[in-house]
Amino acid sequence: GAVVSQHPSRVICKSGTSVKIECRSLDFQATTMFWYRQFPKQSLMLMATSNEGSKATYEQGVEKDKFLINHASLTLSTLTVTSAHPEDSSFYICSARQSTDTQYFGPGTRLTVL
Amino acid sequence: QKEVEQNSGPLSVPEGAIASLNCTYSDRGSQSFFWYRQYSGKSPELIMSIYSNGDKEDGRFTAQLNKASQYVSLLIRDSQPSDSATYLCAVKERGSQGNLIFGKGTKLSVKP
Repeated sequence: GAVVSQHPSRVICKSGTSVKIECRSLDFQATTMFWYRQFPKQSLMLMATSNEGSKATYEQGVEKDKFLINHASLTLSTLTVTSAHPEDSSFYICSARQSTDTQYFGPGTRLTVL
Repeated sequence: QKEVEQNSGPLSVPEGAIASLNCTYSDRGSQSFFWYRQYSGKSPELIMSIYSNGDKEDGRFTAQLNKASQYVSLLIRDSQPSDSATYLCAVKERGSQGNLIFGKGTKLSVKP
């Protein structure tokens, strides 16, 4: 099956710093990548959708200047959490989709902001 | 507002039994449906996709789709303790760029 990786798997940072998370599709070209956030015991929340070479589409309530998304190639998307605060602590998960309907998820990145 | 509804559970079944997970969706025009499994602290992993009315079997898993009733289900035969997880139903929005709309998930517990 299709494999999606994320790096880092876990990050702890101080309040006010920026954190970059990478998402890679390892064995297929992803025309679209998605970024989700999941708080403990809650459901997945879609943050944004990105297509290679174009600007990301953010969901309502997600600050595009705080969560910077770059989808520079068909195998790589990055999410940068700028000026992170404790309330940004969460489980961030990317997923990637080929031309078919199926989305494959990365293993997730657990962010803790102190 | 397009919605995907699931019973949150927990659904508890004994080992070896059939677990039945249900999902309804609001957009009658939806064409693509997915079941994901999510273990605690992990990301979702795809179990099955289904596009046509009827049953689709893959090992111990059977997905059932009824578009007229806007209903999709997942049956797990011979349930094992390792099947204990949260099961997410996802429905793709219409259109080529359609995103997945996820239900809140049903927590399944298989008791040895």
